[in-house]
Amino acid sequence: GQQVKQSSPSLTVQEGGILILNCDYENDMFDYFAWYKKYPDNSPTLLISVRSNVDKREDGRFTVFLNKSGKHFSLHITASQPEDTAVYLCAAGALQGGSAKLIFGEGTKLTVSS
Amino acid sequence: DMKVTQMPRYLIKRMGENVLLECGQDMSHETMYWYRQDPGLGLQLIYISYDVDSNSEGDIPKGYRVSRKKREHFSLILDSAKTNQTSVYFCASSLGTGSSAETLYFGSGTRLTVL
Repeated sequence: GQQVKQSSPSLTVQEGGILILNCDYENDMFDYFAWYKKYPDNSPTLLISVRSNVDKREDGRFTVFLNKSGKHFSLHITASQPEDTAVYLCAAGALQGGSAKLIFGEGTKLTVSS
Repeated sequence: DMKVTQMPRYLIKRMGENVLLECGQDMSHETMYWYRQDPGLGLQLIYISYDVDSNSEGDIPKGYRVSRKKREHFSLILDSAKTNQTSVYFCASSLGTGSSAETLYFGSGTRLTVL
């Protein structure tokens, strides 16, 4: 089964709005959680990440919340902009040294309408 | 300029042919990865390489093998390609040690079609 699952295949939000993308995982050994952003015909790039020793990390308009007991993490985007339109991939894994065999979710296609 | 380069960008092969996908990185990253992306399935890890000749299976290694003879270069080989290996293949690299070692840097992808 899918070890990392994103609940929504697609979301639409109006420009300036707030949105939440959700991700659930199964393996409670995972200690690293990330969100990647992918434009069409482009490669995924890291947006924001968090390790399991914190439950929240903020970077500008983007915040990751981690709920380890619920095996759930989310990405909150505030003041959404048209350039946020992309596919968002959540990923989780267990760090071994400095590397992690990241397991990715299926992706959520976000559309920000102006 | 930090970069992960994949060649070729597009490839069409017939069933049973051998396929070689090449990946290079200019960041001296220790760890390199091969993923494939299929609709509705996200990115699935095929192989991970922790350094030269130090390769480990990912979640879906069957039908694939890899080669890493130089730190900056990681190849994915399909011996006798199958139609269900039609996919977009992404190579990635990460530092492996130090600050933000786990951040993956992806190549542009290779769209492989097996007829």
